[in-house]
Formats: sequence, structure tokens, C-alpha cells
Amino acid sequence: AQTVTQSQPEMSVQEAETVTLSCTYDTSENNYYLFWYKQPPSRQMILVIRQEAYKQQNATENRFSVNFQKAAKSFSLKISDSQLGDTAMYFCAFMKFYSGGGADGLTFGKGTHLIIQP
Amino acid sequence: DSGVTQTPKHLITATGQRVTLRCSPRSGDLSVYWYQQSLDQGLQFLIQYYNGEERAKGNILERFSAQQFPDLHSELNLSSLELGDSALYFCASSVAAGGAYNEQFFGPGTRLTVL
Repeated sequence: AQTVTQSQPEMSVQEAETVTLSCTYDTSENNYYLFWYKQPPSRQMILVIRQEAYKQQNATENRFSVNFQKAAKSFSLKISDSQLGDTAMYFCAFMKFYSGGGADGLTFGKGTHLIIQP
Repeated sequence: DSGVTQTPKHLITATGQRVTLRCSPRSGDLSVYWYQQSLDQGLQFLIQYYNGEERAKGNILERFSAQQFPDLHSELNLSSLELGDSALYFCASSVAAGGAYNEQFFGPGTRLTVL
């Protein structure tokens, strides 16, 4: 079974600063994806960014980028020029897929509560 | 708005009771996932259905069951409810069952409170 660990329960930064959220995972699988989800106070789950494990290039989406270190099983999220609207819970997630088709459900970490201060 | 709908939004019931949560996936999505978010357990995957058939099982209790109907909507049945079942239950849908990447779109959740 896979495990996902987020070691920072809460982080607080000033608006416009850059912040990095940590995530490590443990798996013996080769076929998987990694994700960061955002959950604002509305409780809606929003996909921020995804990374295919077979790709060496780190994924980027506007102000969001990841540092994927496959050998170290590390998957951190960097938020640049942070905004008040980035305040939310952030969850790191793992999904195993099968080469013949099909995938398991998402395995989530415990989350990091990110607070952006004005 | 993800296009996934869940009803009801809130549900308050008593221990020992049975409830049914409903999920309608996005138009065209064949796969439905159920997740539970609680203070104790965090976010955990319960079960997945694809085009009416069970495809993957997570940490779903024996007191819980689910099904996906021919019109692709899904229901999660929770019985013999306990205080610890109080949680936010999410449904997510995707086009296919997995393999090549298919994003899971989450509904707004059903908040279950067991008193």
C-alpha cells in the first residue's frame, strides 16, 4: 500500500512571497501519478497540478510548480507570488494506474494549511 | 462548478440509522469515485465504479455499500451509523477508469452528521 506524508500541518507567509509545501511518499510501484489539490474554506476540492512519474520534467501551472525527486520519493509544491486567494488546505495525493487499464483511487496526505497574510 | 452534483448537501441523523447519498457525474463521465473526509481519518478513498461495475475498493467499511445505475448516477449507502461516520463525503467522476490520465472532478460533498 502507498503512503503519503505531509510534514507541515500549517504554514503562514506574507502576500507576494514564495512558499514551498513538502510531500514525501512511499511506494514500490512504477506506474503512478502525483497531484496537489487545494481545498479552500468552501471545501471544494480543486486540482492544482499533476505530475506523471515517468516524466523527469517538473510540472508547472502558472504560479505553481513542483520539484519531483523520484529517487527520493519527494514531491514538493512551490507557489510563487502568493495571493490571498491561495489560503487553503493543500493535499498531496498519489494514484497508481495499471498499464492494462484502470487505476486505484487517490491516496491523500494529511494536508498542509497554508495561510497567506496581507 | 465541476459539473458533479451531490445530494443532499447536509444530512443529520441518529446512530443506528441508514442513509443514502447520491452523486450525478459530469455528462459523459463513466467513472465515479467515493471519498470520505473526517477529522480522524483525513481524506480516504472508499470505492470506484466504472460504467455500472465496481472497479476498485479502498477503505470502505462493510456497513457501507455503493452502486452505479444505468444512467451512471451513483449512490453510497451507509447503515448502522456510528458517531465516527460523521464526515464530508465526496463523489468524483472521470471519463474513464484510469490508465491514461483522466482527471477526477470532485463534487461539493455531502456533510453527514451522526448524533
